[in-house]
Amino acid sequence: SQQGEEDPQALSIQEGENATMNCSYKTSINNLQWYRQNSGRGLVHLILIRSNEREKHSGRLRVTLDTSKKSSSLLITASRAADTASYFCATDKTSGSRLTFGEGTQLTVNP
Amino acid sequence: DVKVTQSSRYLVKRTGEKVFLECVQDMDHENMFWYRQDPGLGLRLIYFSYDVKMKEKGDIPEGYSVSREKKERFSLILESASTNQTSMYLCASIGAGKTEAFFGQGTRLTVV
Repeated sequence: SQQGEEDPQALSIQEGENATMNCSYKTSINNLQWYRQNSGRGLVHLILIRSNEREKHSGRLRVTLDTSKKSSSLLITASRAADTASYFCATDKTSGSRLTFGEGTQLTVNP
Repeated sequence: DVKVTQSSRYLVKRTGEKVFLECVQDMDHENMFWYRQDPGLGLRLIYFSYDVKMKEKGDIPEGYSVSREKKERFSLILESASTNQTSMYLCASIGAGKTEAFFGQGTRLTVV
């Protein structure tokens, strides 16, 4: 079964709105990362949050982590059409070890 | 500019063929991974390698093997391709003790 599960599976919003995606996982983790995938391409790293952190910011991205609930959320503020992509969370148990990915959230930002 | 390069973007093979998917990284990373991606299933780990000549099975290794003769190259082998191996294959690498994975552009394999 998948370690990470994203919610919702698909999200459609208008440009300028905020997009929130959630990820849940089952076992203890060391790090949680978010990746973005444009259609038919490889994944690109967006942001990492460590298990002892609760919130991280990077530009228009905000990630939160709640280890007691085994969940994370990714917020993209002031979305743009170029943010249209699939977003995946990934967890690991130690740095450099295998990453376990969720099923992803397909975000569509309409101009 | 760091890179993970997969040998083909698109590949069409016949059932029963032996298929080689090549992945090369130029970052001197120790850890390399092969995933397959299918709609609704996310990325599933096939095999990974922590060092030259080392390999470990992932979650779905059946029907696949790998080779890592050189640090920069990690090959995925489909011994006898079947139609259920039609998928997007993604190679990734991570430096020792690091966290960020770098992905290749993916190979979309169709087995007919």
